[in-house]
Amino acid sequence: DIQMTQSPSSLSASVGDRVTITCRASQSLSRYLNWYQQTPGKAPKLLIYAVSTLQSGVPSRFSGSGSGTDFTLTISSLQPEDFATYYCQQSYSTPRTFGQGTKVEIK
Amino acid sequence: QVQLQESGPGLVKPSGTLSLTCTVSGGSISSYYWSWIRQPPGKGLEWIGDIYYSGSTNYNPSLKSRVTISVDTSKNQFSLKLTSVTAADTAVYYCARFGGFTYGNVPLYYFDYWGQGTLVTVSS
Repeated sequence: DIQMTQSPSSLSASVGDRVTITCRASQSLSRYLNWYQQTPGKAPKLLIYAVSTLQSGVPSRFSGSGSGTDFTLTISSLQPEDFATYYCQQSYSTPRTFGQGTKVEIK
Repeated sequence: QVQLQESGPGLVKPSGTLSLTCTVSGGSISSYYWSWIRQPPGKGLEWIGDIYYSGSTNYNPSLKSRVTISVDTSKNQFSLKLTSVTAADTAVYYCARFGGFTYGNVPLYYFDYWGQGTLVTVSS
């Protein structure tokens, strides 16, 4: 199985801050890396697929980068609706695994 | 707009069988993979398995001995059965579409549509 490790597990930030979340895979994923956002009581929502492609309707303040085993999700200017938990997920192979999540909280 | 809706009992007894159905609307189930994912209270996401409309399945090895996923294309539904449940199987269960496309010869797939989730509690 491919293990996905996110850091940090949680962070506190203020509106307007730049936020970076890291995801590391236990083996190379090429471009098979996706990011999701989950708010309390809701299903996860696809933000970014194939490392850096924004899903339709996702604000441009979200961006993704990386290659191989190391990937990053960046929120350029944190907005109130961005306080949520973020998950990375690999689609390179089965089992399809997720990172443990990064909770972004209000400072 | 594709929509997914989970249905099934919210309470299952220990050692019993958890059974859920996902109904797909706004699109045909006859393409893509269709997945089950669960989330224990306060924890992260765990992929259970998925099925192609033709019936081909993939299962998480950690659950494979207890899981069966099936599809009914005539009803645009797919289903999950998880046997011999324990309290550790208490979770919100989501159904989702593992959709995407092929770019050149590179398959780019992701969970693009999700149901709202249903809480299943294992308790006597």
